[in-house]
Amino acid sequence: AQSVAQPEDQVNVAEGNPLTVKCTYSVSGNPYLFWYVQYPNRGLQFLLKYITGDNLVKGSYGFEAEFNKSQTSFHLKKPSALVSDSALYFCAVRDRVSGNTPLVFGKGTRLSVIA
Amino acid sequence: GAVVSQHPSRVICKSGTSVKIECRSLDFQATTMFWYRQFPKQSLMLMATSNEGSKATYEQGVEKDKFLINHASLTLSTLTVTSAHPEDSSFYICSASGQGADSNQPQHFGDGTRLSIL
Repeated sequence: AQSVAQPEDQVNVAEGNPLTVKCTYSVSGNPYLFWYVQYPNRGLQFLLKYITGDNLVKGSYGFEAEFNKSQTSFHLKKPSALVSDSALYFCAVRDRVSGNTPLVFGKGTRLSVIA
Repeated sequence: GAVVSQHPSRVICKSGTSVKIECRSLDFQATTMFWYRQFPKQSLMLMATSNEGSKATYEQGVEKDKFLINHASLTLSTLTVTSAHPEDSSFYICSASGQGADSNQPQHFGDGTRLSIL
């Protein structure tokens, strides 16, 4: 079975400081990993994904994530947070052999960037 | 590219009413669409997976007679909440995957529908 854990319900960071939103995963084989962002009363927007290759993945709005196979983690990072980054962030996983099946999502982490 | 349009964005109606929510893929053909429900401050709960031209696959605990899903074309899926009651009030989100999509492709989401049953 596939699962995703986002251990923090809430992350607070000052504007201009680096931010990290944590994610760990569990799959039987090799994973495809995704990060999405959700603004109030909106659907999910795709930020980035890890498929293969370089463990550091760069995505939209200056976000990046690092795949760490030994720690089964895929933490989302940004060097300098903006107030507009405040939103709900979801990590998701899919096993490589599962085909076009729905992504398995974590419970989400609410990021608040304080001016 | 990969735009998913969901309509309506908000519905307020009386108890007992049936409500239809549409999900359209605007610039790609969606072989598979997913319907989610999201409660306040909670994660997404997958309700069902619909494949074009076939019956939807419902997750355990989701009443198929309550939440009717139709995926009649490669660009449109509908969710009908039949005889809605206040406990059906929620944020419903659809998602689509393209035709022939591999497992490494992201799902593309609509903007959701806020359903409020009085």
